[in-house]
Amino acid sequence: DTAVSQTPKYLVTQMGNDKSIKCEQNLGHDTMYWYKQDSKKFLKIMFSYNNKELIINETVPNRFSPKSPDKAHLNLHINSLELGDSAVYFCASRQDSPSSYEQYFGPGTRLTVT
Amino acid sequence: RKEVEQDPGPFNVPEGATVAFNCTYSNSASQSFFWYRQDCRKEPKLLMSVYSSGNEDGRFTAQLNRASQYISLLIRDSKLSDSATYLCVVTPRRGATNKLIFGTGTLLAVQP
Repeated sequence: DTAVSQTPKYLVTQMGNDKSIKCEQNLGHDTMYWYKQDSKKFLKIMFSYNNKELIINETVPNRFSPKSPDKAHLNLHINSLELGDSAVYFCASRQDSPSSYEQYFGPGTRLTVT
Repeated sequence: RKEVEQDPGPFNVPEGATVAFNCTYSNSASQSFFWYRQDCRKEPKLLMSVYSSGNEDGRFTAQLNRASQYISLLIRDSKLSDSATYLCVVTPRRGATNKLIFGTGTLLAVQP
């Protein structure tokens, strides 16, 4: 009965490769996010989708491309991986309501680029 | 200057101690404020919202000072299970309910 799930949990790959991370939420939420947490533990928003529409796109290299096939899924594809992409990537979701701020996070995907 | 700043710690305290964390935010238009908790190698989870009048949830008390752009979290009677990183979180402006800005977190280690 996991609320927000991500696959894979760990990903080790070489520079230059292309990889994808998948996220699914079964909470019925309208909004989903991708965050990056770097080695200094700083958690920064990358993208947000609301009902499959991109609504937040922070300053992220265009090697990163989110895709939302439906409102329960938000995947992240990364092209030409670089060493600096090594981080933990968290997916999150939230109910789209003016009074609802809580975001529910997935367990994270630990990406290591060698 | 970071939008949300916290003392990274670590705060090493004995069980039963009272500990306080502080946080400052740079955007005076920020509207909503929260504390999240992140255990080691786990995802962040909402601990509590922070209201203008201050609010309490069991051993946890949160305070907001809008004039000083300052948020605090007080933990009384610390337990070993309180050991975690505490993240100060704000929304950037009115209506921007969708976006959360996270501080870098304060690490708490409660010692037996």
